[in-house]
Parts: sequence; C-alpha cells; structure tokens
Amino acid sequence: DVKVTQSSRYLVKRTGEKVFLECVQDMDHENMFWYRQDPGLGLRLIYFSYDVKMKEKGDIPEGYSVSREKKERFSLILESASTNQTSMYLCASSSPTGTGGETQYFGPGTRLLVL
Amino acid sequence: QKEVEQNSGPLSVPEGAIASLNCTYSDRGSQSFFWYRQYSGKSPELIMSIYSNGDKEDGRFTAQLNKASQYVSLLIRDSQPSDSATYLCAVSSNDYKLSFGAGTTVTVRA
Repeated sequence: DVKVTQSSRYLVKRTGEKVFLECVQDMDHENMFWYRQDPGLGLRLIYFSYDVKMKEKGDIPEGYSVSREKKERFSLILESASTNQTSMYLCASSSPTGTGGETQYFGPGTRLLVL
Repeated sequence: QKEVEQNSGPLSVPEGAIASLNCTYSDRGSQSFFWYRQYSGKSPELIMSIYSNGDKEDGRFTAQLNKASQYVSLLIRDSQPSDSATYLCAVSSNDYKLSFGAGTTVTVRA
C-alpha cells in the first residue's frame, strides 16, 4: 500500500512565524504535491515537484515555498505565517497508472491554525 | 485556469437508493478523470478512475464519461450510510496535475 505521511495533524502558530510542513512518501513516486483545502473552494494546488530539487508553482504559490532535497520528502514552508493561511494542508504523491493518467495518493492532512 | 464544476449539494438520498453526482470540465484536452471520496476530517481517497468514453463499474460505483459533452458522473447504487461523505471530481490533461471540483456532499438517510 502507498503510504504518504505528514509531520503533524494539527498545528497552531502565531502570525509572522516561519512554519514547516513535512511530507514523506514510501513508494518511490516521482511527483509530489502540496494543496490547501478550504470550505467551498475545494483543493487548490500550491506547489508541486516532479523530481528532486525541481519544483513548479501551482495556482496559489504566494506566501509559500517548497523544498525537495530527497525523492521521498517534500516540504512546504510558510515564510511568515498569516491568518489567511489557516487551512487544511494536504500532501500527495503520484505514480503513472499505465493508461496515461497519474493517480494521486494523499497524506492525512495538517490542519493549521494561525493566530 | 482549468475549471471543474460539480453539482452543488448537499445531496440527501435514502438508504438503498441511487446517488447521482455530476461533474463538468472546461479543458477539452483532459485525458484522465477521477472520483475521490473524503470523509469529514479525513483526506481524499481514490474510488474510481476513468479514461475513455462510456461506463466503468466497480462494485456499487459506476463512473460515466462523455468527452464530447465534457461531462463525467458517478453513480452510487444501493447507497449505504457509510457512503455519506464529500465526493470530489478531479480532471487531468497530459501532465500530472489534477484540477479538482469543490465537491458534492452526500448524506445517506437510514
């Protein structure tokens, strides 16, 4: 079974703090993703990575950065947390399905509250 | 930006009935289509994927795809209380990124 783990289930941080969210997958997947999920807005892609040290911006990268030093690990960094970054953060990794598509597998999520 | 629209919920169905979920997408180049189920407070889990026009059945779930109409649906037959969740439609083009709809919340009444 694919396993994607995230470092914390719940986090409470103060405005202006630097926040690190870590994600690890154990299936040797090339691609990894960070999303945030807010009520009524669905999942929105923040950043993704298709290889070690490679990254691309998603739809809402502002205020975030990422790091992928090892294939299995993808970190999301909030440089200076703000209250509008309070959200559920979901990490995913993907593998080709053999039929042209890629199936994404999600971690359990980190619910971040910024005060 | 690629758009994925789902019928607004919540959808309430009696136990044993069929729940019908709809999804439309804007990018004609979309190739892969997925349905994820998300229980409250949990992360999404894949329940169905479909890549070609027509129907695909897996147990009580049937996905239907019509690329000409840019439409994909999910039918849940013999709905059970354990099917109560939010269902997310996701669409992918030739890359590996997914675009998600906002989700439809289904409640199955006993």
